[in-house]
Amino acid sequence: GNSVTQMEGPVTLSEEAFLTINCTYTATGYPSLFWYVQYPGEGLQLLLKATKADDKGSNKGFEATYRKETTSFHLEKGSVQVSDSAVYFCALRGGAGGTSYGKLTFGQGTILTVHP
Amino acid sequence: DVKVTQSSRYLVKRTGEKVFLECVQDMDHENMFWYRQDPGLGLRLIYFSYDVKMKEKGDIPEGYSVSREKKERFSLILESASTNQTSMYLCASSDRNWDSRTKRETQYFGPGTRLLVL
Repeated sequence: GNSVTQMEGPVTLSEEAFLTINCTYTATGYPSLFWYVQYPGEGLQLLLKATKADDKGSNKGFEATYRKETTSFHLEKGSVQVSDSAVYFCALRGGAGGTSYGKLTFGQGTILTVHP
Repeated sequence: DVKVTQSSRYLVKRTGEKVFLECVQDMDHENMFWYRQDPGLGLRLIYFSYDVKMKEKGDIPEGYSVSREKKERFSLILESASTNQTSMYLCASSDRNWDSRTKRETQYFGPGTRLLVL
């Protein structure tokens, strides 16, 4: 079955530091990959996505590249801000069609805290 | 603007009570999902529904049931609440269209219901 593994957290950084959160996956076929973010007290929001190998998703200064050869989708940001403090989830959706109905498989989440 | 709402942000129930969690979406989505979120475990799928009156078990359906009588509403039912069901419950919805070039496969989440079972 499908699975997603994220780096262990929590991650604590100073403002303007470089961020990497690792994500690797196991899936059959050609999954779509997502990063969701959950700010304190809120539900999840889609941060970015990539639907095929070598695609790069980007949003709000965050980037992630779909690497099929290493089955990875690492999240990066060059300069984090205090407002980026949140929980980040990597997720995949299996290939279209069949009976998947768009189900997502999530990683365990990584808590990011950014200090001024 | 996309909207998924959940009936309560916080609930406190006693062991053995029947608990209803309600979720409503205004996007005319066919698919709706219930997850629970626990520290260190991420989100785990409880049940999902791909159409009115249709439902499928997710990864952890034991102790839960669901109801989808109308397209916009998806209810999660804890028949007899237990302390190990204390958790954050998140509802999501998505369009059935599988066009991966658009955002129509994106799942949109509600704010969550934090349930405490005593």
